[in-house]
Amino acid sequence: DIQMTQSPSSLSASVGDRVTITCRASQSVRSYLNWYQQKPGKAPKLLIYVASSLQSGVPSRFSGSGSGTDFTLTISSLQPEDFATYYCQQSDSIPPTFGQGTKLEIK
Amino acid sequence: QVTLKESGPVLVKPTETLTLTCTVSGFSLSNARMAVTWIRQPPGKALEWLAHIFSNDEKSYSTSLRSRLTISKDTSKSQVVLTMTNMDPVDTATYYCARIWDREKYSFDYWGQGALVTVSS
Repeated sequence: DIQMTQSPSSLSASVGDRVTITCRASQSVRSYLNWYQQKPGKAPKLLIYVASSLQSGVPSRFSGSGSGTDFTLTISSLQPEDFATYYCQQSDSIPPTFGQGTKLEIK
Repeated sequence: QVTLKESGPVLVKPTETLTLTCTVSGFSLSNARMAVTWIRQPPGKALEWLAHIFSNDEKSYSTSLRSRLTISKDTSKSQVVLTMTNMDPVDTATYYCARIWDREKYSFDYWGQGALVTVSS
């Protein structure tokens, strides 16, 4: 199975900050990397698919980049509703695997 | 409007078999591009993929849980069923079903609300 490692595991930031979360795969996943946002008690929400494609309805302050083994999720200007946990997930091979999550907290 | 909803027991005893049902609407389980998957999340922990099933009955399972899982579907009822045998307290988790909207991109665009299953005697 491909292992996905996110960094940092937690992050404190302020409204208006630019934030970057990194995801690294244990082997190349080409561009088959997805990002999800999860708020407490809720199901995850798809933000980005195939590394950089913005899911319909997701604000443009979210962006993704990368290929191969290294990927980033960037939030250009944090809004209060963005404080949540973020997960990456590779979809290059079965079984799909998730990162351990990055918890984004208010500073 | 696409929806998925999980149903099943809230509490199961160790060694019992868990059966969860995902009832979908707004899309068809016969759509060749789409599939339904099960994912779980222990309290306070990360997401873990369990299984998927496509319209042609193609199935895949988690490497570590393969021997305990069975996924099936009833297209006429718009339902996908997951069974997990020999339940253990470590299997306590919220179990989600989700839609895979594109076979190649393989991302989960709609999710159910989740079903919390506790394993305890």
